[in-house]
Amino acid sequence: EAGVTQSPTHLIKTRGQQATLRCSPISGHTSVYWYQQALGLGLQFLLWYDEGEERNRGNFPPRFSGRQFPNYSSELNVNALELEDSALYLCASSLYRGANVLTFGAGSRLTVL
Amino acid sequence: KQEVTQIPAALSVPEGENLVLNCSFTDSAIYNLQWFRQDPGKGLTSLLLIQSSQREQTSGRLNASLDKSSGRSTLYIAASQPGDSATYLCAGYGSGNTGKLIFGQGTTLQVKP
Repeated sequence: EAGVTQSPTHLIKTRGQQATLRCSPISGHTSVYWYQQALGLGLQFLLWYDEGEERNRGNFPPRFSGRQFPNYSSELNVNALELEDSALYLCASSLYRGANVLTFGAGSRLTVL
Repeated sequence: KQEVTQIPAALSVPEGENLVLNCSFTDSAIYNLQWFRQDPGKGLTSLLLIQSSQREQTSGRLNASLDKSSGRSTLYIAASQPGDSATYLCAGYGSGNTGKLIFGQGTTLQVKP
């Protein structure tokens, strides 16, 4: 069984640009979660999608957005990039809304210059 | 606001030692506590899940316990090996179906051969 896959592995952008990160959940999982892990700040909850809808978002500005597609894959968009957006972005999936166990992907490393 | 503290922040031990990692929550209303392992620059690997009705879980050399009355969890690693070197994170859900796992800052473990 394939795990949670994320792309790209690494992404380098400059300030003001837009970044798009993608996530494919485990087959059969309907919930997708995004977390940001910036240096020194730990893992911060970004977004939760389930059945194509945004269910919750963390304390991030509106330039962080995303969506979930009918096949349950998801993308995270970050507009007007700032230096402090440099981080490892982790995607996770769970079997259904409210499921206990999250399975994480390997992450996408975003560097903003 | 639920916060998670992990002690110690870093730990270095010789191979073969038994060790305990600690995790505490400001609000004892924590649900479905998970312990994760993270290798440098990588994603998270789920180690153990303690559901709300449970008090401990074991997997191989790992044992995790949860004392909900005090809001504390411990991860016990027996007979540590150099391959156990990684950052260990605990996380749990607060009240309400928010989809938001609240993470500690992690304990970075080094096991020396």
